[in-house]
Amino acid sequence: NAGVTQTPKFQVLKTGQSMTLQCAQDMNHNSMYWYRQDPGMGLRLIYYSASEGTTDKGEVPNGYNVSRLNKREFSLRLESAAPSQTSVYFCASSEYGAGDTQYFGPGTRLTVL
Amino acid sequence: GESVGLHLPTLSVQEGDNSIINCAYSNSASDYFIWYKQESGKGPQFIIDIRSNMDKRQGQRVTVLLNKTVKHLSLQIAATQPGDSAVYFCAEISWGAQKLVFGQGTRLTINP
Repeated sequence: NAGVTQTPKFQVLKTGQSMTLQCAQDMNHNSMYWYRQDPGMGLRLIYYSASEGTTDKGEVPNGYNVSRLNKREFSLRLESAAPSQTSVYFCASSEYGAGDTQYFGPGTRLTVL
Repeated sequence: GESVGLHLPTLSVQEGDNSIINCAYSNSASDYFIWYKQESGKGPQFIIDIRSNMDKRQGQRVTVLLNKTVKHLSLQIAATQPGDSAVYFCAEISWGAQKLVFGQGTRLTINP
């Protein structure tokens, strides 16, 4: 039981490039989340998916898109990366919703030059 | 709007002492609170949670206290060990809300 896995672990992009961050969970959870974490700050919610087939914006959705591919997988896409998107990105999942314990992946450290 | 904050950004304690990490929240409708531990280079890890109908909950070496009157949450770690070195986040959510609100975090360092 791997929990929440994320790929890649590290990525460097140039301004304007695109990329997709992958996330998968094997806990049969219904809800999944994408957060970003900047130095000295807590986690900020980018997008979430309360259940398979649904996605909703969080606090900081601009510049991102998401896809809930199936119950296990939830991807985050940067269409045109900007230096302001340099951050550590965490995926999380919970069984029923945000009010349940969220389990986090190990994170992707993204640098945009 | 809602916010969750921490009184101290850093806390340094002697190994073996007890640690107390504090958190203030502003949303009086918050009814579920969680403490997460984040070690360097890793994702946040669930430590303990508490619902608003309780004022104290104990785990293994950790205790969470909730004071709804002053909107204050604390995490107590007994007999702090080197492995407790991490950043600790509190988070809160109100019933029916769709997202957790995280505090900024407190870095706990252990002196030998």
